[in-house]
Amino acid sequence: EDKVVQSPLSLVVHEGDTVTLNCSYEVTNFRSLLWYKQEKKAPTFLFMLTSSGIEKKSGRLSSILDKKELFSILNITATQTGDSAVYLCAVVPYSGGGADGLTFGKGTHLIIQP
Amino acid sequence: DADVTQTPRNRITKTGKRIMLECSQTKGHDRMYWYRQDPGLGLQLIYYSFDVKDINKGEISDGYSVSRQAQAKFSLSLESAIPNQTALYFCATSDTLEQFFGPGTRLTVL
Repeated sequence: EDKVVQSPLSLVVHEGDTVTLNCSYEVTNFRSLLWYKQEKKAPTFLFMLTSSGIEKKSGRLSSILDKKELFSILNITATQTGDSAVYLCAVVPYSGGGADGLTFGKGTHLIIQP
Repeated sequence: DADVTQTPRNRITKTGKRIMLECSQTKGHDRMYWYRQDPGLGLQLIYYSFDVKDINKGEISDGYSVSRQAQAKFSLSLESAIPNQTALYFCATSDTLEQFFGPGTRLTVL
């Protein structure tokens, strides 16, 4: 059974701090790993990672995948109150040509205090 | 206009009632999905569909059924709702690996 574990489950920091969110996974036939940000609505896509060691970056957010150790991290530098959200990690397996349902972790609830 | 829409957005119903949640998309994607989200449990896959002739169970399909009426429409039914089906339900579509989510339907079963 595919499994995704995120840590920490919740985190409270002050504005300006840097945070690192963790995602470890066990999946048969790994294809890719996705990061989403969820505020009080549907998840919005952040990154898709398929290759080890290649950092994806978007502004203050960055993410990297380690396929040997089966984990990914999401970094947010110079945090702002607008970064407060639940961050979801999901893995996508190869499924022999059919639809690829994601397996999600429980999410990290990040709170940025002013 | 939103690419993925869900109706209703909120619904309160009673135990034993039949409920249908609808999802429509204008993205032209073949793949559609239904997820439920419970507090602290992340998103769990209920059903997914590769095209109108393809329906597959996800990890928590018991108590649910789906219908893919057209490429653009994928509905989720609860034949006899029970309180532990109270959750936030998301529809999603994809053509590659990124999934695009609808706004969600908040369902409460009393």
